[in-house]
Amino acid sequence: GAGVSQSPSNKVTEKGKDVELRCDPISGHTALYWYRQSLGQGLEFLIYFQGNSAPDKSGLPSDRFSAERTGGSVSTLTIQRTQQEDSAVYLCASSSDQGSNEKLFFGSGTQLSVL
Amino acid sequence: KQEVTQIPAALSVPEGENLVLNCSFTDSAIYNLQWFRQDPGKGLTSLLLIQSSQREQTSGRLNASLDKSSGRSTLYIAASQPGDSATYLCAAGTWDSWGKLQFGAGTQVVVTP
Repeated sequence: GAGVSQSPSNKVTEKGKDVELRCDPISGHTALYWYRQSLGQGLEFLIYFQGNSAPDKSGLPSDRFSAERTGGSVSTLTIQRTQQEDSAVYLCASSSDQGSNEKLFFGSGTQLSVL
Repeated sequence: KQEVTQIPAALSVPEGENLVLNCSFTDSAIYNLQWFRQDPGKGLTSLLLIQSSQREQTSGRLNASLDKSSGRSTLYIAASQPGDSATYLCAAGTWDSWGKLQFGAGTQVVVTP
């Protein structure tokens, strides 16, 4: 596609439910990143993928968070048993590889609201 | 752990003035420093990327400098326009945390006509 696509754009869920957030990166981009942006705060790194593997999972806030990437393309971020503190904008980005000269291209994000 | 700070948190200038946005980082072992723009309700748009071996990058009215020894980067926007109103974020990529960009909290800029 022309850009990074995220779906849904908005998700309202009840506390305790599971949610899945999807990211479709720019075609051919091998690196994919997930960040979280809470109201009035900066971006918090969650996880990145090089191809289908995730060398660094250290940013995932708890074991309720998991992410996978298949076929070196689409990624899904899953949050189990959602809590109110999970409410945030979840941003996905991709880059053509992980060289030091590769810019990140961001999607518009998924606004998650946990009631 | 890399810490990135942006000062000021907010800035308002009249149209036509030059903008100077500051970014500081604590760990100088970076592989690049990127500047992004974020409009309300939108994702981030990459503006400039400076590799660790470079001192500056320019694109149109935008110029970004990098001084690793002092842990600083500055984004200059010449002859500001109302369309430049947005939040500007810097992010540092550190060698021992490859791929894990550390973002500052951003500077919210308002350019008044």
